[in-house]
Amino acid sequence: EIVLTQSPATLSLSPGEGATLSCRASQSISTFLAWYQQKPGQAPRLLLYDASKRATGVPARFSGSGAGTDFTLTISSLEPEDFAVYHCQLRSNWPPVLTFGGGTKVESK
Amino acid sequence: QVQLQESGPGLVKPSGTLSLTCAVSGDSISSHNWWSWVRQSPGKGLEWIGEIYHSGSSDYNPSLQSRVTLSVDNSKNQFSLKLTSVTAADSAVYYCALKLPTTGWNYFDSWGQGILVTVSS
Repeated sequence: EIVLTQSPATLSLSPGEGATLSCRASQSISTFLAWYQQKPGQAPRLLLYDASKRATGVPARFSGSGAGTDFTLTISSLEPEDFAVYHCQLRSNWPPVLTFGGGTKVESK
Repeated sequence: QVQLQESGPGLVKPSGTLSLTCAVSGDSISSHNWWSWVRQSPGKGLEWIGEIYHSGSSDYNPSLQSRVTLSVDNSKNQFSLKLTSVTAADSAVYYCALKLPTTGWNYFDSWGQGILVTVSS
Protein backbone atom coordinates (compact mmCIF):
# COMPACT_ATOMS: atom_id res chain seq x y z
CA GLU A 1 0.00 0.00 0.00
CA ILE A 2 1.28 3.44 -0.96
CA VAL A 3 1.52 5.94 1.89
CA LEU A 4 1.32 9.72 1.47
CA THR A 5 3.22 11.89 3.94
CA GLN A 6 2.43 15.60 4.12
CA SER A 7 4.68 18.23 5.60
CA PRO A 8 4.72 20.36 7.54
CA ALA A 9 1.78 19.45 9.75
CA THR A 10 1.12 23.14 10.39
CA LEU A 11 2.24 26.24 8.54
CA SER A 12 1.85 29.62 10.26
CA LEU A 13 1.85 32.48 7.78
CA SER A 14 0.44 35.96 7.26
CA PRO A 15 -1.88 37.09 4.48
CA GLY A 16 0.13 38.04 1.42
CA GLU A 17 2.88 35.54 2.12
CA GLY A 18 3.53 32.53 -0.08
CA ALA A 19 2.94 28.96 1.09
CA THR A 20 4.68 25.78 0.03
CA LEU A 21 3.16 22.45 1.06
CA SER A 22 4.75 19.08 0.47
CA CYS A 23 3.30 15.63 -0.20
CA ARG A 24 5.60 12.62 -0.52
CA ALA A 25 4.53 9.19 -1.78
CA SER A 26 6.20 5.98 -0.58
CA GLN A 27 6.29 4.74 -4.18
CA SER A 28 6.26 6.45 -7.54
CA ILE A 29 2.75 7.44 -8.63
CA SER A 30 3.59 9.31 -11.82
CA THR A 31 1.39 12.44 -11.61
CA PHE A 32 -1.78 10.82 -10.27
CA LEU A 33 -2.11 13.20 -7.33
CA ALA A 34 -4.75 15.66 -6.22
CA TRP A 35 -4.90 18.45 -3.65
CA TYR A 36 -8.00 19.42 -1.67
CA GLN A 37 -8.81 22.37 0.54
CA GLN A 38 -10.96 21.86 3.62
CA LYS A 39 -12.34 24.60 5.84
CA PRO A 40 -13.81 23.94 9.30
CA GLY A 41 -17.22 22.32 9.12
CA GLN A 42 -17.04 21.92 5.35
CA ALA A 43 -16.38 19.11 2.94
CA PRO A 44 -13.08 19.05 1.07
CA ARG A 45 -12.92 20.90 -2.24
CA LEU A 46 -10.86 19.69 -5.18
CA LEU A 47 -8.17 22.26 -6.03
CA LEU A 48 -5.67 20.48 -8.28
CA TYR A 49 -5.57 17.13 -10.02
CA ASP A 50 -2.99 15.23 -12.04
CA ALA A 51 -0.47 17.07 -9.85
CA SER A 52 -0.76 20.43 -11.61
CA LYS A 53 -4.16 20.91 -13.28
CA ARG A 54 -6.46 23.39 -11.58
CA ALA A 55 -10.05 22.32 -11.02
CA THR A 56 -12.86 24.52 -12.29
CA GLY A 57 -13.02 27.87 -10.55
CA VAL A 58 -9.76 27.54 -8.63
CA PRO A 59 -7.78 30.80 -8.54
CA ALA A 60 -4.46 30.99 -10.36
CA ARG A 61 -2.59 31.64 -7.11
CA PHE A 62 -2.86 27.89 -6.47
CA SER A 63 -0.36 25.80 -8.40
CA GLY A 64 0.94 22.29 -8.18
CA SER A 65 4.09 20.55 -9.29
CA GLY A 66 5.93 17.29 -8.98
CA ALA A 67 6.02 13.76 -10.33
CA GLY A 68 7.06 10.37 -9.07
CA THR A 69 7.21 10.63 -5.29
CA ASP A 70 7.53 14.33 -4.47
CA PHE A 71 4.76 16.86 -4.97
CA THR A 72 4.25 20.48 -4.00
CA LEU A 73 1.25 22.75 -3.62
CA THR A 74 2.15 26.42 -3.84
CA ILE A 75 -0.07 29.32 -2.89
CA SER A 76 1.60 32.38 -4.33
CA SER A 77 0.07 34.98 -2.02
CA LEU A 78 -2.24 33.95 0.79
CA GLU A 79 -5.70 35.45 0.87
CA PRO A 80 -7.71 35.38 4.13
CA GLU A 81 -9.96 32.64 2.72
CA ASP A 82 -6.97 30.36 2.05
CA PHE A 83 -6.38 29.53 5.71
CA ALA A 84 -7.55 25.94 5.85
CA VAL A 85 -6.38 22.33 5.89
CA TYR A 86 -4.93 20.94 2.67
CA HIS A 87 -5.00 17.23 1.83
CA CYS A 88 -3.24 15.34 -0.94
CA GLN A 89 -4.72 12.18 -2.46
CA LEU A 90 -3.62 9.48 -4.88
CA ARG A 91 -5.18 6.55 -6.63
CA SER A 92 -3.08 3.42 -6.92
CA ASN A 93 -3.75 1.03 -9.79
CA TRP A 94 -3.36 -2.17 -7.83
CA PRO A 95 -4.94 -2.60 -5.49
CA PRO A 96 -7.37 0.07 -6.71
CA VAL A 97 -7.23 2.15 -3.55
CA LEU A 98 -7.60 5.88 -3.02
CA THR A 99 -5.38 7.21 -0.26
CA PHE A 100 -5.14 10.56 1.48
CA GLY A 101 -2.25 12.22 3.23
CA GLY A 102 -2.54 13.36 6.82
CA GLY A 103 -3.12 17.00 5.91
CA THR A 104 -1.34 20.32 6.39
CA LYS A 105 -3.03 23.10 8.29
CA VAL A 106 -2.28 26.59 7.02
CA GLU A 107 -3.02 28.97 9.87
CA SER A 108 -2.84 32.70 10.26
CA LYS A 109 0.18 33.92 12.19
CA GLN B 1 -23.77 21.07 -11.10
CA VAL B 2 -24.28 17.75 -9.34
CA GLN B 3 -25.42 17.98 -5.74
CA LEU B 4 -25.07 15.23 -3.17
CA GLN B 5 -26.91 14.93 0.14
CA GLU B 6 -26.22 12.34 2.82
CA SER B 7 -28.92 11.07 5.15
CA GLY B 8 -29.25 8.46 7.85
CA PRO B 9 -29.10 7.94 11.62
CA GLY B 10 -26.62 10.05 13.54
CA LEU B 11 -26.30 7.48 16.31
CA VAL B 12 -25.59 3.77 15.93
CA LYS B 13 -25.10 1.21 18.68
CA PRO B 14 -21.85 -0.76 18.95
CA SER B 15 -21.94 -4.02 16.96
CA GLY B 16 -24.81 -2.61 14.92
CA THR B 17 -24.99 -1.62 11.26
CA LEU B 18 -24.39 1.90 9.99
CA SER B 19 -26.64 2.68 7.01
CA LEU B 20 -26.40 5.89 4.99
CA THR B 21 -27.91 7.10 1.74
CA CYS B 22 -26.67 9.72 -0.68
CA ALA B 23 -29.30 11.45 -2.80
CA VAL B 24 -28.05 12.73 -6.15
CA SER B 25 -29.54 15.75 -7.90
CA GLY B 26 -28.50 17.59 -11.03
CA ASP B 27 -27.36 14.42 -12.78
CA SER B 28 -28.46 10.86 -13.31
CA ILE B 29 -26.83 8.22 -11.18
CA SER B 30 -26.67 6.22 -14.39
CA SER B 31 -24.21 8.70 -15.88
CA HIS B 32 -20.57 7.77 -16.35
CA ASN B 33 -19.50 8.66 -12.83
CA TRP B 34 -18.19 6.65 -9.90
CA TRP B 35 -20.04 7.26 -6.64
CA SER B 36 -17.95 7.14 -3.49
CA TRP B 37 -17.95 7.24 0.29
CA VAL B 38 -15.21 8.89 2.36
CA ARG B 39 -15.09 9.33 6.12
CA GLN B 40 -13.21 11.58 8.49
CA SER B 41 -12.81 10.77 12.16
CA PRO B 42 -12.84 13.75 14.52
CA GLY B 43 -9.56 15.62 14.22
CA LYS B 44 -8.13 13.04 11.85
CA GLY B 45 -7.50 12.58 8.16
CA LEU B 46 -9.71 11.39 5.35
CA GLU B 47 -10.30 7.69 4.65
CA TRP B 48 -11.76 6.31 1.44
CA ILE B 49 -14.38 3.65 2.11
CA GLY B 50 -15.38 2.50 -1.34
CA GLU B 51 -17.06 3.38 -4.61
CA ILE B 52 -19.69 2.04 -6.96
CA TYR B 53 -20.70 2.46 -10.59
CA HIS B 54 -24.35 2.52 -11.67
CA SER B 55 -23.96 -0.99 -13.05
CA GLY B 56 -23.13 -2.25 -9.58
CA SER B 57 -19.40 -2.65 -10.08
CA SER B 58 -17.60 -1.63 -6.92
CA ASP B 59 -14.23 -1.26 -5.22
CA TYR B 60 -13.61 -1.17 -1.50
CA ASN B 61 -10.85 -0.11 0.85
CA PRO B 62 -9.19 -3.43 1.80
CA SER B 63 -9.14 -2.36 5.44
CA LEU B 64 -12.95 -2.15 5.50
CA GLN B 65 -13.95 -4.54 2.73
CA SER B 66 -15.19 -7.32 5.00
CA ARG B 67 -17.73 -4.97 6.63
CA VAL B 68 -18.83 -2.70 3.78
CA THR B 69 -21.56 -3.02 1.18
CA LEU B 70 -22.39 -0.35 -1.38
CA SER B 71 -25.50 -0.33 -3.52
CA VAL B 72 -27.17 1.85 -6.15
CA ASP B 73 -30.87 2.58 -6.57
CA ASN B 74 -31.26 3.88 -10.10
CA SER B 75 -35.01 4.46 -9.69
CA LYS B 76 -34.45 6.80 -6.72
CA ASN B 77 -31.23 8.33 -8.08
CA GLN B 78 -29.33 7.49 -4.93
CA PHE B 79 -26.65 5.21 -3.59
CA SER B 80 -26.11 3.70 -0.16
CA LEU B 81 -23.52 2.52 2.32
CA LYS B 82 -23.83 -0.25 4.89
CA LEU B 83 -21.08 -0.82 7.44
CA THR B 84 -21.56 -3.75 9.79
CA SER B 85 -20.18 -4.60 13.24
CA VAL B 86 -19.42 -0.98 14.05
CA THR B 87 -17.30 0.17 16.98
CA ALA B 88 -16.43 3.56 18.40
CA ALA B 89 -13.59 3.71 15.88
CA ASP B 90 -16.21 4.02 13.14
CA SER B 91 -17.49 7.30 14.57
CA ALA B 92 -16.82 9.91 11.91
CA VAL B 93 -18.23 12.39 9.46
CA TYR B 94 -19.26 10.39 6.43
CA TYR B 95 -19.17 12.07 3.02
CA CYS B 96 -20.54 10.90 -0.28
CA ALA B 97 -18.59 12.09 -3.29
CA LEU B 98 -18.38 11.59 -7.00
CA LYS B 99 -15.59 11.00 -9.46
CA LEU B 100 -15.97 12.31 -13.01
CA PRO B 101 -14.61 11.00 -16.28
CA THR B 102 -13.21 14.49 -16.99
CA THR B 103 -10.59 13.91 -14.27
CA GLY B 104 -10.05 10.30 -15.18
CA TRP B 105 -12.21 8.96 -12.36
CA ASN B 106 -9.17 9.29 -10.11
CA TYR B 107 -10.26 12.15 -7.83
CA PHE B 108 -13.27 13.37 -5.89
CA ASP B 109 -14.72 16.19 -7.96
CA SER B 110 -17.72 16.95 -5.82
CA TRP B 111 -18.76 16.19 -2.25
CA GLY B 112 -21.85 16.13 -0.09
CA GLN B 113 -21.90 18.26 3.04
CA GLY B 114 -21.23 15.25 5.27
CA ILE B 115 -23.12 13.59 8.08
CA LEU B 116 -21.78 12.94 11.57
CA VAL B 117 -22.31 9.40 12.79
CA THR B 118 -21.51 8.48 16.37
CA VAL B 119 -21.22 4.90 17.56
CA SER B 120 -22.33 4.71 21.16
CA SER B 121 -24.66 2.78 23.40
